[in-house]
Amino acid sequence: DTGVSQDPRHKITKRGQNVTFRCDPISEHNRLYWYRQTLGQGPEFLTYFQNEAQLEKSRLLSDRFSAERPKGSFSTLEIQRTEQGDSAMYLCASSLDSPNTEAFFGQGTRLTVV
Amino acid sequence: AQSVAQPEDQVNVAEGNPLTVKCTYSVSGNPYLFWYVQYPNRGLQFLLKYITGDNLVKGSYGFEAEFNKSQTSFHLKKPSALVSDSALYFCAVRDDFKNRDDKIIFGKGTRLHILP
Repeated sequence: DTGVSQDPRHKITKRGQNVTFRCDPISEHNRLYWYRQTLGQGPEFLTYFQNEAQLEKSRLLSDRFSAERPKGSFSTLEIQRTEQGDSAMYLCASSLDSPNTEAFFGQGTRLTVV
Repeated sequence: AQSVAQPEDQVNVAEGNPLTVKCTYSVSGNPYLFWYVQYPNRGLQFLLKYITGDNLVKGSYGFEAEFNKSQTSFHLKKPSALVSDSALYFCAVRDDFKNRDDKIIFGKGTRLHILP
């Protein structure tokens, strides 16, 4: 098991473009989380899945953000019409579906919108 | 909804001295509490967790944390700090409330600086 994998590691895009990130969780994990982290701050919750079902999406999240986990394995996070304020590290984590288990994080995708 | 607070943006400790990084939480049900560490340009690494039982839990790299239900706190501790402990530390909470609002929420982080 290679842990949580995120792709790409870095993405530079022009304002107004769409971007898509991928996360491959640990294989037996059915919970998958997306967070956003800006420099020196804590991970901000975006959304999470149990298998293919999206359980919650942050109310702070713009409609430009969408996430999917179509087969309950990998997940994608898409940002449409990117803005400079979207520049951040996007983190994916996965865990077993049990409240007493910790989440394991990927290395993140750093997005820079120019 | 669950929340977690880390009141200190930065903690400075001399090498060899004990360290404490503070965390308080709020949940509807019973809390599941976690500490993570983040080194520069690295992902978050799990340190330790409290689920139930003994209020003092031990984790990686000599860290431990004390759960205090009455004070709703889960402070991270280490008896003797190392320069290599310098990093960003995050407290996190997960609620076991039965309405399935059990996402993991993180604090804003505390930067720990160990002075040689």
